[in-house]
Amino acid sequence: AQSVAQPEDQVNVAEGNPLTVKCTYSVSGNPYLFWYVQYPNRGLQFLLKYITGDNLVKGSYGFEAEFNKSQTSFHLKKPSALVSDSALYFCAVRDGTGGFKTIFGAGTRLFVKA
Amino acid sequence: EPEVTQTPSHQVTQMGQEVILRCVPISNHLYFYWYRQILGQKVEFLVSFYNNEISEKSEIFDDQFSVERPDGSNFTLKIRSTKLEDSAMYFCASSRGTTSYEQFFGPGTRLTVL
Repeated sequence: AQSVAQPEDQVNVAEGNPLTVKCTYSVSGNPYLFWYVQYPNRGLQFLLKYITGDNLVKGSYGFEAEFNKSQTSFHLKKPSALVSDSALYFCAVRDGTGGFKTIFGAGTRLFVKA
Repeated sequence: EPEVTQTPSHQVTQMGQEVILRCVPISNHLYFYWYRQILGQKVEFLVSFYNNEISEKSEIFDDQFSVERPDGSNFTLKIRSTKLEDSAMYFCASSRGTTSYEQFFGPGTRLTVL
């Protein structure tokens, strides 16, 4: 069965510092991995995805994520955090064998302090 | 930029009543989804819809739920007889393709069952 774990409920970082939001996954086939961000009273916005190829993927707003197959991880990173990055971040996985279902992690709240 | 829209933004209903949540997906997308997010919990997949039929559904999507694409633009979720535990934020999403394609989410409908 597919699953996603985001081990941190909240991540606190100072503005200008690098940030990492952790995600590990479990799927039976090849994983298709996604990061979404949710601002208050808004829907989820797509940030980036890993399908195949280069393990480091770059996405919107300066975010990037590194796929690590041996550790089954897909951590979200940004070199320099902004206060406006404060939001709820969701990691998601889909089984690459062709399923439609997307499984989301519980979410990690990122708080960037000025 | 095209976006997924949902109406109403907030729906209050009495237990046992039927509700219909409406969504207008992005016009050139072919795959449609419903998710729900109970307050403070993770985003849960309900159903996916393609070519005028359900392609996949979760165990949550029981006989009380149904989906329909009544015309070329709208995509609806009907809950036949609402229960207190149906109170949640319901998100509609659409995508151009399946598995490797990211989904675009609407802003959600907050359903409150009294």
